[in-house]
Formats: sequence, C-alpha cells, structure tokens
Amino acid sequence: IAGITQAPTSQILAAGRRMTLRCTQDMRHNAMYWYRQDLGLGLRLIHYSNTAGTTGKGEVPDGYSVSRANTDDFPLTLASAVPSQTSVYFCASSERTGFGYTFGSGTRLTVV
Amino acid sequence: QQQVKQSPQSLIVQKGGISIINCAYENTAFDYFPWYQQFPGKGPALLIAIRPDVSEKKEGRFTISFNKSAKQFSLHIMDSQPGDSATYFCAAYLATGNTPLVFGKGTRLSVIA
Repeated sequence: IAGITQAPTSQILAAGRRMTLRCTQDMRHNAMYWYRQDLGLGLRLIHYSNTAGTTGKGEVPDGYSVSRANTDDFPLTLASAVPSQTSVYFCASSERTGFGYTFGSGTRLTVV
Repeated sequence: QQQVKQSPQSLIVQKGGISIINCAYENTAFDYFPWYQQFPGKGPALLIAIRPDVSEKKEGRFTISFNKSAKQFSLHIMDSQPGDSATYFCAAYLATGNTPLVFGKGTRLSVIA
C-alpha cells in the first residue's frame, strides 16, 4: 500500500542523546514535511523540503535538522534531545509543495 | 498574514446534531482550503476541500461553507455520529508561494450519544 512509513512508532529517550526519526515515502512525491503535534498547539512545521536536495525551515526549527538526499527519505535528527522536544512527530509528503498532503502515522517521542 | 485562525478549540455535540467549526484567514491570495480529520493515534487525512470560486461544497454529511468577502470558511457536520469524534484542522494553500500548507490549530470534536 502506497504511503508514508515512520519509524520508530514510539521512543523514550534520555535527555542529551542524539536521535533520528525516519520517514520514507513510496509515492514519488516531491515535497516532504516534518510536524510536531502538542495538545492545544496544533501541527507546527519543523522543516520541509520542496524537492530532493533542498530543505527549508518551518515555524519551530531550533534543535532539529533534516536532510533530503533522495526523493523517498526525509530523516529528522535531534542532535541533543531536551524534555521540551517530547511530542508526537508527523512526517508528510505531497506531489507539489503545500497541496494534497499524505501523513504518516506518527512517532511518539518522550525525552526524560 | 499567513495565519489561519480556527475556533472553537474543542466542541461537544449530541449524536444527531450539527457540528460547526470555523476558520478565518487574512491572505486573500490563498486559493485552496482543505480540511483534515485526525483520529486518535493516527495521522491527519484529507477530508474535504474547497476553492474560493464556490460558496459551498458538500460531500455526504460534510459541508464546507465559504465566505470570500468575510475571509471565513466553516465545516458543518450534519447528523453528527460518535464515529465523527476526531480532531479537525482547517488549512490554506497558496499556489504561487511554493510554501507549505498553513494549518489552523485544530478543533477536538466529541460526539456523545
């Protein structure tokens, strides 16, 4: 089934540790996105990529980095996790930027 | 100017009632307005969408009403059912901007029997 795969599904991480959340899509979509979702704050954009080889900063990029080496993969890295990064992280993709999103099922990350 | 303001933050509706969620925007260049539905533990999924050249779009029990002059749009869920209990996000798209969707902050809907 075509779609987005996120891994891991959930993770408990010690503060200060490095963590990479994985996102892979098989729809050959050009654009990909990372959001975090916190109660009452909705979906906040962390980073995005309009096409392979390009990335852009969203609303809350600090403490996160991304790369887009190919069309299918868009990993999100927390270089040194802090408790405020406890959240549910969603990866999404679309054929063109901003239009027709498909979301993954999310990664629930707890930083302790 | 890039914000989409969504209200209410949460909503409780009796089974069979009408659920109404409202959104407002500032940027008149937005040209596509989708709504996303998110069930607990799942990612959001596209529910229904409208372009600003029409005032209403209906798909089953879900209707978007669009008021271009007021820069407002709303989602109406007729005959609301417990299975409609979810979080709903409105969003706005700028075709010329090559920028991500702008999302509202979401409305948590609970339909009670």
